[in-house]
Amino acid sequence: QKEVEQNSGPLSVPEGAIASLNCTYSDRGSQSFFWYRQYSGKSPELIMSIYSNGDKEDGRFTAQLNKASQYVSLLIRDSQPSDSATYLCAVNILDFGNEKLTFGTGTRLTIIP
Amino acid sequence: NAGVTQTPKFRILKIGQSMTLQCTQDMNHNYMYWYRQDPGMGLKLIYYSVGAGITDKGEVPNGYNVSRSTTEDFPLRLELAAPSQTSVYFCASTAIGDPNEQYFGPGTRLTVT
Repeated sequence: QKEVEQNSGPLSVPEGAIASLNCTYSDRGSQSFFWYRQYSGKSPELIMSIYSNGDKEDGRFTAQLNKASQYVSLLIRDSQPSDSATYLCAVNILDFGNEKLTFGTGTRLTIIP
Repeated sequence: NAGVTQTPKFRILKIGQSMTLQCTQDMNHNYMYWYRQDPGMGLKLIYYSVGAGITDKGEVPNGYNVSRSTTEDFPLRLELAAPSQTSVYFCASTAIGDPNEQYFGPGTRLTVT
C-alpha cells in the first residue's frame, strides 16, 4: 500500500508567525507532490506543486521537497486568519502506467488572531 | 469557463435506493476522477478515467459504477445505497501533460439512512 502520512493536528499558530506542515510518503518512485487547501465544507484547492528537490516559493507559501528522505513540507509565512483550513498533501503515484494521486488525511491549521 | 461542476449538491437516500451523481468539466481534460471523503479523512479514489470509453477502479470501487461516454461527463452510479456510502463525493479532472494537478468540483454531500 503506497501511503502518504500527515500529522492530523490541530496545529495552532499565532497570526503573523510561520506555520509548518509536514508530510511523508512511502513510494520512492513518486515524482510530483502537491499541497491542497480545503476550507470546511468546500472542495480542495491546489495551492502548491513541487517536482524537484529543494524549495519552491509562491508568495507567502514555500514548498520543500527532499526525495531522499521522502519528505515534503509547506511553510506559510506571516500566517493570516484566512489561512485557517485543512491542508492536504498529495503524491502522484504511477499505477500500471496510470497516474493517480494518493492523499494524506490532512492537517487542520488554526491561525489565532 | 465553469471548470468542474457537480450535481446535486446534497442528497438523502434511503437504504437500497439508487442514484447517479453527475460530473461535467469544460476544460477538455482527458483524466477524470471520483473521490469520497469521510469526516476527518483524506480523499479515497473510487474510480477514474483516462479518456472517453476508458475507466478503471480506484481504491474503494465496491458499490459504485461509472461510465465515460464523452470527454466532458463522468457520472458515478450508486446501486443499492448503504449507510457506509454516506460521504462527500468529489469529482476532479486534469489534462494530459499536466503532472496531475487536479481541479475539483464543489462536491456532493450524500446521506444514506
